Amino acid sequence: DAGVIQSPRHEVTEMGQEVTLRCKPISGHNSLFWYRQTMMRGLELLIYFNNNVPIDDSGMPEDRFSAKMPNASFSTLKIQPSEPRDSAVYFCASTNRAQGGTGNTIYFGEGSWLTVV
Amino acid sequence: GESVGLHLPTLSVQEGDNSIINCAYSNSASDYFIWYKQESGKGPQFIIDIRSNMDKRQGQRVTVLLNKTVKHLSLQIAATQPGDSAVYFCAENYAGGTSYGKLTFGQGTILTVHP
Repeated sequence: DAGVIQSPRHEVTEMGQEVTLRCKPISGHNSLFWYRQTMMRGLELLIYFNNNVPIDDSGMPEDRFSAKMPNASFSTLKIQPSEPRDSAVYFCASTNRAQGGTGNTIYFGEGSWLTVV
Repeated sequence: GESVGLHLPTLSVQEGDNSIINCAYSNSASDYFIWYKQESGKGPQFIIDIRSNMDKRQGQRVTVLLNKTVKHLSLQIAATQPGDSAVYFCAENYAGGTSYGKLTFGQGTILTVHP
């Protein structure tokens, strides 16, 4: 089975440029998460969607960050304009949340490694 | 100058030994716990999970123990192999309400297995 698919795997961009990261969750999963990993702060949740609807975006650092999920099989995380401190690994994860909120395994993609110079 | 960042605990073991990685969690309301393994350049890989109504769960070569009284989680790896070398993260979650999926990760433990 295909796992969570992210693109690009690596991106180097100049400060001020727009960055768009893409994610395809595991087929059949109804919840999608964007996490960021840095040496300073470890793994942090940025935003998550349930049935394509953003549920909690309290982890999004600033208005420069936005995320969308136009359909069940695709999500984007956009940074505009990008800054050097946005350099990190951005992970997308997905799960199938059962009714009633029972926790299920959350699977991660391989990450998008972003460097802003 | 020296970079500032998370200083991860480390565990070094010999191949074939058993490894125990510990984790203290913070939220007494957390009811779902996961152990992830992260190899260099890769995403976190699910190892095993446990719900708060259990205190032990076993997988293939791995066992997770949960002590809710002291909010402690441990991962035991039997007959550790060089391929087990990675950073191991525990994560906690309260599965109810809008907190679902908001995994709170521990800082991680670096496991190094020597042949």
